[in-house]
Amino acid sequence: GDSVTQMEGPVTLSEEAFLTINCTYTATGYPSLFWYVQYPGEGLQLLLKATKADDKGSNKGFEATYRKETTSFHLEKGSVQVSDSAVYFCALSAGSARQLTFGSGTQLTVLP
Amino acid sequence: GAGVSQSPSNKVTEKGKDVELRCDPISGHTALYWYRQRLGQGLEFLIYFQGNSAPDKSGLPSDRFSAERTGESVSTLTIQRTQQEDSAVYLCASSLAVLSGANVLTFGAGSRLTVL
Repeated sequence: GDSVTQMEGPVTLSEEAFLTINCTYTATGYPSLFWYVQYPGEGLQLLLKATKADDKGSNKGFEATYRKETTSFHLEKGSVQVSDSAVYFCALSAGSARQLTFGSGTQLTVLP
Repeated sequence: GAGVSQSPSNKVTEKGKDVELRCDPISGHTALYWYRQRLGQGLEFLIYFQGNSAPDKSGLPSDRFSAERTGESVSTLTIQRTQQEDSAVYLCASSLAVLSGANVLTFGAGSRLTVL
């Protein structure tokens, strides 16, 4: 079945550090890929998405590139801020399925 | 409404009791999803509703779990004879119906269930 494997956390960085959160997937066909973010006390919200190979999703300084050859969708940000502290979830939607399959989430803490 | 509303936000119950969790999706969103998030784990798909089509119940973990939705409005997730392993945050999400798999889900803040 479809699955998403995320880099295990928690991840702790200093402000302005470079961030990478790894995500790889297994799916039939050509899935759409997503990163969702959950800020403390809030619901999950879409951060970015990519629907085909080599697409780059970007938002709020975060980027992720859909790499079909390595079945990956790693999340990156060049300079993190304290306000980026949250849990980040990688997810996919494949084939005729309408629901998303999520990774286990990565807790990011950014220290001032 | 402006967002997905869930109630109650917190529920503490005794083992063996039944609980009902409610989700009010965004107006105009025909698709509605329930997920479960156990502590420190990812989101586990439970059930999906799309308009008047038969729901996809493939993620329900046992027959103690059921969900209903009337038309394109409110949904209720019911857990009968709760067990301690049912303790989790239950998340509801809604989306516009799209043909491809690239639909974007909008999540509620969740209902935290604690079974003593």
